[in-house]
Amino acid sequence: QKEVEQNSGPLSVPEGAIASLNCTYSDRVSQSFFWYRQYSGKSPELIMSIYSNGDKEDGRFTAQLNKASQYVSLLIRDSQPSDSATYLCAVMNTGFQKLVFGTGTRLLVSP
Amino acid sequence: GAGVSQSPSNKVTEKGKDVELRCDPISGHTALYWYRQSLGQGLEFLIYFQGNSAPDKSGLPSDRFSAERTGGSVSTLTIQRTQQEDSAVYLCASAVGPNVLTFGAGSRLTVL
Repeated sequence: QKEVEQNSGPLSVPEGAIASLNCTYSDRVSQSFFWYRQYSGKSPELIMSIYSNGDKEDGRFTAQLNKASQYVSLLIRDSQPSDSATYLCAVMNTGFQKLVFGTGTRLLVSP
Repeated sequence: GAGVSQSPSNKVTEKGKDVELRCDPISGHTALYWYRQSLGQGLEFLIYFQGNSAPDKSGLPSDRFSAERTGGSVSTLTIQRTQQEDSAVYLCASAVGPNVLTFGAGSRLTVL
């Protein structure tokens, strides 16, 4: 089992719709969770971090964490074509402070 | 500096040669990470430094790979006797402690 799993996609949504990206992780004691966005040919950039169960909202983005289910999600409201990118879920291993990334979900937002 | 600086940005080498990749983290960032990203793939963890020490080297693919960090700042990733499967983008990131990472632009390595 991979440490962090994501559906590779692509996930296609029309402009203005809600995009829902999901991630599961295997290490039950993980404490910190992150979503990074990576445009083609560019480096990842942080979108959201979440540390406790529940929802965290930042503009059009909402991160959701359920530690009991070992599940993290990212919702993007009012999706824009500029949101088209690969979204990487990352989980921090508390033992060695290692940040482990999933393989990413490619999001395509059509005008 | 203002951001994480990596050099070279592109490196083409012949199979069997050694290469050195350099990362200059954001000033004051104590944590430094190396990842590898092959074409169309996710980020593969290589090594993590806290200060000059590397608590976790578990991601280094083989003994041909080594990394060091001196003065709590610049880090070099060395690949000896390069193989074609080493071709990838090598990404460096730094952070204030084991927290939010800021990535450099990467070093694209092509082994012919």
